[in-house]
Amino acid sequence: QSVLTQPPSVSGAPGQRVTISCTGSSSNIGAGYDVHWYQQFPGTAPKLLIYGNSNRPSGVPDRFSGSKSGTSASLAITGLQAEDEADYYCQSYDSSLSGSSVVFGGGTKVTVL
Amino acid sequence: QVQLVESGGGVVQPGGSLRLSCAASGFTFSSYAMHWVRQSPGKGLEWVAFMRYDGSNKNYPDSVKGRFTISRDNSKNTLYLQMNSLRADDTAVYYCAKASSSFTYGDAAADYWGQGILVTVSS
Repeated sequence: QSVLTQPPSVSGAPGQRVTISCTGSSSNIGAGYDVHWYQQFPGTAPKLLIYGNSNRPSGVPDRFSGSKSGTSASLAITGLQAEDEADYYCQSYDSSLSGSSVVFGGGTKVTVL
Repeated sequence: QVQLVESGGGVVQPGGSLRLSCAASGFTFSSYAMHWVRQSPGKGLEWVAFMRYDGSNKNYPDSVKGRFTISRDNSKNTLYLQMNSLRADDTAVYYCAKASSSFTYGDAAADYWGQGILVTVSS
C-alpha cells in the first residue's frame, strides 16, 4: 500500500492527452512538499521527468507537464506518442510525528493504443 | 557526464549480509545527498535509504531500519549500502540515485540514477 496513490494504468490513442493523478495527504503533498515524476521503461532505470511539481529537466519534451493542488498532483502528456509507453511514478516527502520519509506512488502504466 | 555504477549484488541466503557500492563520477560527489531505491520484480519503486552530502543525516523506512546502513566515502566518490539480516522480500534491483540538491533532507528530486544491481535472497 503506497503512501501516494496512482491509477494502475491509463491509456490513450496517439495524439491524445492523458493525465496521471497522484493523491497524497496532509503529511506529504498537502504539507507543501514538492512532487517529482519519473519515467521508467522495462529493464531500465527511472529517469527524472518533472521536478518541483512542474519543472522539466533539460531534454524532456514540453508535451510533459506537471501540476499540484492541495493534496494531489498530476502529470499530463499531451500529443501522446508511441514512445511514451512506459511506467510513471510520482514521488514526494512525508513528515509526521512518527518520522519522515521519501515516498513513491505505486506507479502507472501508460499504454498507447 | 554524471555516472553512477552499482556493484556488489548477487545471491545471498536468508539471514545473510551483502554490501552494495555505488561509484560516482561526473559531478562533485561530496556536495550532494544520495539515495538508495529498490524495485522488487514486477513491482514499483521503494525508497530504501538516504544520506545527506556530509553524512550528517541518514534516514530509512521502517522496512529496513535496523538492518540496512547507508554510508559514503567522499574521498573515493563512493556510496555504500550494508544490508544485514536479509529476507526474501529484500529481493530487488537496487538503484543508487543522486539528489538534485546539496542541502536536502530527502525532499528533492533524484536527478540521476545508476543502472541498478540485482540482489536475490534465496536458499
